[in-house]
Amino acid sequence: DTGVSQDPRHKITKRGQNVTFRCDPISEHNRLYWYRQTLGQGPEFLTYFQNEAQLEKSRLLSDRFSAERPKGSFSTLEIQRTEQGDSAMYLCASSSFGGGGVGDTQYFGPGTRLTVL
Amino acid sequence: DQQVKQNSPSLSVQEGRISILNCDYTNSMFDYFLWYKKYPAEGPTFLISISSIKDKNEDGRFTVFLNKSAKHLSLHIVPSQPGDSAVYFCAASQASSNTGKLIFGQGTTLQVKP
Repeated sequence: DTGVSQDPRHKITKRGQNVTFRCDPISEHNRLYWYRQTLGQGPEFLTYFQNEAQLEKSRLLSDRFSAERPKGSFSTLEIQRTEQGDSAMYLCASSSFGGGGVGDTQYFGPGTRLTVL
Repeated sequence: DQQVKQNSPSLSVQEGRISILNCDYTNSMFDYFLWYKKYPAEGPTFLISISSIKDKNEDGRFTVFLNKSAKHLSLHIVPSQPGDSAVYFCAASQASSNTGKLIFGQGTTLQVKP
């Protein structure tokens, strides 16, 4: 069973450009999460999907950010008009959520490191 | 508002000894806790978890202890190995609300010396 994969691993862009990241979760995992991590901090939650439905978005997810999971499998995260403050590691995680108040263990991909010049 | 805190940025231990990493939380609604290990340029790797109905969970060399009254959890690694050198994050969620969203601490860098 392959793990969570993310593409690209690294992205360098100029301020004002749009970027898109892709995440492929562990197969048959129904939940997919996006987090952002900056230097010296733990990952911060951005948004998550259950199947194709986006169930929650953090206030960190400004209007310039959009995420999709069109068929309930892979997901994309797009950042429009990038700013230098968007430079971070963007992490994707997936889980097999069963409900019933049972803890949801998330498995992370390697991340996409974004540098905005 | 840091709901999950790891107050020790770094820890250094000798190979073969015990490593104890600590984590405190403020939100009493958290009921599921996880520890992740992270190497540079990689994503976090899941290590071990614990539900609030338990006070201890063990998996090989790793044991997590939960003290709900103190809102404190700790990860014990025995015996420590050089390959354990990494950044360790604790994370918490409200499983009872079915959200799954994880709140992470800032991380503790563990160095295990040969």
